[in-house]
This record gives sequence, structure tokens and C-alpha cells, in this order.
Amino acid sequence: DVVLTQTPPTLSATIGQSVSISCRSSQSLLDSDGDTYLNWLLQRPGQSPQLLIYSVSNLESGVPNRFSGSGSETDFTLKISGVEAEDLGVYYCMQATHAPYTFGAGTKLELK
Amino acid sequence: QVQLQQSGAELAKPGSSVKISCKASGYTFTSYYISWIKQTTGQGLEYIGYINTGSGGTNYNEKFKGKATLTVDKSSSTAFMQLSSLTPDDSAVYYCARDLADWGQGTLVTVSS
Repeated sequence: DVVLTQTPPTLSATIGQSVSISCRSSQSLLDSDGDTYLNWLLQRPGQSPQLLIYSVSNLESGVPNRFSGSGSETDFTLKISGVEAEDLGVYYCMQATHAPYTFGAGTKLELK
Repeated sequence: QVQLQQSGAELAKPGSSVKISCKASGYTFTSYYISWIKQTTGQGLEYIGYINTGSGGTNYNEKFKGKATLTVDKSSSTAFMQLSSLTPDDSAVYYCARDLADWGQGTLVTVSS
């Protein structure tokens, strides 16, 4: 199975600060169809996960544009440009290129 | 708007089975696959598999073959997941999701004697 390694496991930020989360894959996530199925999700406390970004860099409808994703092959990054209070929670990367789909262990974003 | 309403919490005995439902509304049910995901504190998020709501075709994570069975009832726009031969390791919150973009609220399954 593809292993996704997220760093850091915990991130402390102040409101307005920009932060980045890394997700490294044990295999290339470039699919034979040319797409790269690396997604980012946020799980706020007590809530279900929600999709933020799909296929590396595409913002899901309704997601603020302070979120952005980048990367290729095995190295991916989620950036939040100006953290807001509603952004607190656990961020997960998830790959859907190789079966079985797998998730990273999560990065918890806390207020400093 | 899109909604996925899951059935309530289950308390089950080891060796028994439970069947969780996921009722969809706000979109054409048969146009999107439904995925099922397991969440535990220890193992994090695990992808169980998906069902093609139009054809009923399924795709399972090998780890969950024999454990989970995915079905749909198109007449009621509801997807189901049955978990069999339950052990304490099956205790978790289980989510259904439409294309991973819309998630149910989760169903807590507790396996205990």
C-alpha cells in the first residue's frame, strides 16, 4: 500500500500567519491517465472530514482561496495563507491513484 | 443541497453483524459512487471501498474483503454497509462519502460483550 507521510504532526500558528503542511508519498502518485490524485481534507473538532483540494491543486467549491496545494510525483504541500480561527483542526492528505486509497496520519493545526 | 444522512450508533456483540445506512438527498443518487471510510484513534482513516450506485458494482480494499459488504437501494437513494463477524477491532466511526466531497455525519460502532 502507498504510505503517505505528513509533516509536521502538529503545527501551532497565530491568526494571520501563513503555514505549510508537507505530504510525501512512498510511490509516485502520477496516474497513467496523466492526473495526480492527491487530495487534502480538513477535519474540524467533532465534525466529519471535508474535502479542501483535489488532484493536487484544485480548490473544492466553497473553499476559501487562502488554501492552496502544490507538488508532483511524491512531494506535495498544502499552504494556508493567513490562518483563520475556523481553520483549526486536523489536515489529512489522501491518495486515490493506487488501490487501496490511503490517508496520511494527519497534521493538527492549533492556535499558538 | 447534498446531504448524506447516516444511521445511528450501534452497540454490537463480538461475532455479530451490523448494517449501517447512508441516505442521500439533494442530487441524482445514481450519478455518483459512494465510498466508505473507517476512522479510529489508533489507525486513523482507512478506505474500505466504494460502490457504483448505478450498477451496484463494488471495489474493496483487500483488508476489508470478507468484513464489509456494500449494497445500495436505488429506490430509496440509500447505500448500506454490512460489517460481519465483528471484533473489538471493528469499533470505529464509519463514514459514507460521495466522491469524497460530501460526507455523512459518521456512525459510531462499538463492539463489546
